[in-house]
Amino acid sequence: DSGVTQTPKHLITATGQRVTLRCSPRSGDLSVYWYQQSLDQGLQFLIQYYNGEERAKGNILERFSAQQFPDLHSELNLSSLELGDSALYFCASSGPGQGDIQYFGAGTRLSVL
Amino acid sequence: GQQVMQIPQYQHVQEGEDFTTYCNSSTTLSNIQWYKQRPGGHPVFLIQLVKSGEVKKQKRLTFQFGEAKKNSSLHITATQTTDVGTYFCDSGGGADGLTFGKGTHLIIQP
Repeated sequence: DSGVTQTPKHLITATGQRVTLRCSPRSGDLSVYWYQQSLDQGLQFLIQYYNGEERAKGNILERFSAQQFPDLHSELNLSSLELGDSALYFCASSGPGQGDIQYFGAGTRLSVL
Repeated sequence: GQQVMQIPQYQHVQEGEDFTTYCNSSTTLSNIQWYKQRPGGHPVFLIQLVKSGEVKKQKRLTFQFGEAKKNSSLHITATQTTDVGTYFCDSGGGADGLTFGKGTHLIIQP
């Protein structure tokens, strides 16, 4: 158990809909990262937050947004969903003294039908 | 960002054979991290290398950081079916966060 909690584990929705994925980082970790992984693909970095502020932005679509709250949990919002958005979405966290080591949650599997 | 290149993308081995994956960067890295993702699972941190020329071992796994800190390798001796998965390297940091390699998929034939 990495200590990073992601909910829900599975999400099935229809095209055009909006969903919210939630991530609770490990206790004490200030950084949260979001990744998208399509079937047999690598980890596509979406966005990073550090203590509530956006730190780095990757290939995140305009239809996607995220935020980190004062209690450090984070949410990834995906809107106007398309079939191609079906993927595994991972959250990872890292903390002070851990350098660049990231601890991943179990992921949310999103299926857009 | 310091996106790293990983090779090979896929590696088929017979059980008991050795396996090596390589991670290369065009720039000097501060550190490098290795992760393993089992099929259907999530990436799990394996090790971090920080020093030039560093070699670390975990049972049958040997991790090496190049002298110039621009490349790294992961070598598995006598592969077992439990080694199946995708191995990622990550160069850490970077303003655009693009630090993970695309991974090497290890497929083991019994």
